[in-house]
Amino acid sequence: QQQVKQSPQSLIVQKGGIPIINCAYENTAFDYFPWYQQFPGKGPALLIAIRPDVSEKKEGRFTISFNKSAKQFSLHIMDSQPGDSATYFCAANSNDYKLSFGAGTTVTVRA
Amino acid sequence: DAGVTQSPTHLIKTRGQHVTLRCSPISGHKSVSWYQQVLGQGPQFIFQYYEKEERGRGNFPDRFSARQFPNYSSELNVNALLLGDSALYLCASSAFSREQYFGPGTRLTVT
Repeated sequence: QQQVKQSPQSLIVQKGGIPIINCAYENTAFDYFPWYQQFPGKGPALLIAIRPDVSEKKEGRFTISFNKSAKQFSLHIMDSQPGDSATYFCAANSNDYKLSFGAGTTVTVRA
Repeated sequence: DAGVTQSPTHLIKTRGQHVTLRCSPISGHKSVSWYQQVLGQGPQFIFQYYEKEERGRGNFPDRFSARQFPNYSSELNVNALLLGDSALYLCASSAFSREQYFGPGTRLTVT
């Protein structure tokens, strides 16, 4: 049973476009929401994380939007570049020992 | 500073065999978590250890076991391997915060 639902499964954008990845959760005990980027053959790399007392957080070209009442959060990649082509995972944690991951979104940025 | 290291990078085992995977956390990190990532899916939590004690265990059979050593490195052991155990096994380390940093993984193929 997936505790974090992620969509879409894949998306393709042109260079400079803004891919948007959405995640939803049900467990209201979740209070930490990180995003990871994974390239083929590599481990996931922590990109950016948010807590539910903040509605938006930016780090470089990556922005997380958080809607606590809807129990949804999303990742926007501004001015996307071909080097951003990777699989992105949202995750959630409730101050315990484990991260619950979404199924992943494969992003392709075409030059 | 070196990141999380894992060994071996790849290995191939036969059904019924046993395997040991190793992980060294980032210097100063006392917590190590293990995740299984099946191709095309998000990582699934297996174990977390903190200060050599097991803090949590995911929904995996007793064939999976782990331990943490005084230097905070860790081993994941899997007995009686099944074809379905073929996956990328990821180790993540963390300090006092929620942030978990992943290693490159060990690709296990069971034939």
